[in-house]
Amino acid sequence: DAEITQSPRHKITETGRQVTLACHQTWNHNNMFWYRQDLGHGLRLIHYSYGVQDTNKGEVSDGYSVSRSNTEDLPLTLESAASSQTSVYFCASSDGGQHTGELFFGEGSRLTVL
Amino acid sequence: GQNIDQPTEMTATEGAIVQINCTYQTSGFNGLFWYQQHAGEAPTFLSYNVLDGLEEKGRFSSFLSRSKGYSYLLLKELQMKDSASYLCAVITGNYQLIWGAGTKLIIKP
Repeated sequence: DAEITQSPRHKITETGRQVTLACHQTWNHNNMFWYRQDLGHGLRLIHYSYGVQDTNKGEVSDGYSVSRSNTEDLPLTLESAASSQTSVYFCASSDGGQHTGELFFGEGSRLTVL
Repeated sequence: GQNIDQPTEMTATEGAIVQINCTYQTSGFNGLFWYQQHAGEAPTFLSYNVLDGLEEKGRFSSFLSRSKGYSYLLLKELQMKDSASYLCAVITGNYQLIWGAGTKLIIKP
């Protein structure tokens, strides 16, 4: 069965460290997204990609970067982790145009920055 | 600005019916999603509305009125497993996807 997986599922790191969260999907979807979810907020878009070599900033992209070298993977890097980046991060993928398709989410990565 | 409003929390009884409302003010509209999210898990797709009216899918139905900027999710014959958060999301005119903060639904026996 096709799926979307994230790793690590839980991570504790220190302020200033570089952290990379992996996202791998076997749906063969062109569109991939990274969201963060915090209490009291809706899902907020960090970065997204509509295909290989395409990346775009979302509403909360400061301090984060992504790269898309193949269809399956969209790793999210925190260049210098800050306590404000403590959150649950969800990767998602979809087919179809732009944001119109059903999103398939990974199980989430809980990041704590001390 | 663009905004989606949902009640923060609702409580209902097993076997009953509950309606979760979502109102939105966005720059244009290209569709509305409802997702379910159990605590500690990923959101999963429930429904998609782009035209006015009611879409029924088993125990769940979703309604849209574009002129009123309003949608609701109707859950019938509530089961304990329906305890979850329900997320409303709108595709705007320039194809951004804006999410509400979600409604936590508590089902009591």
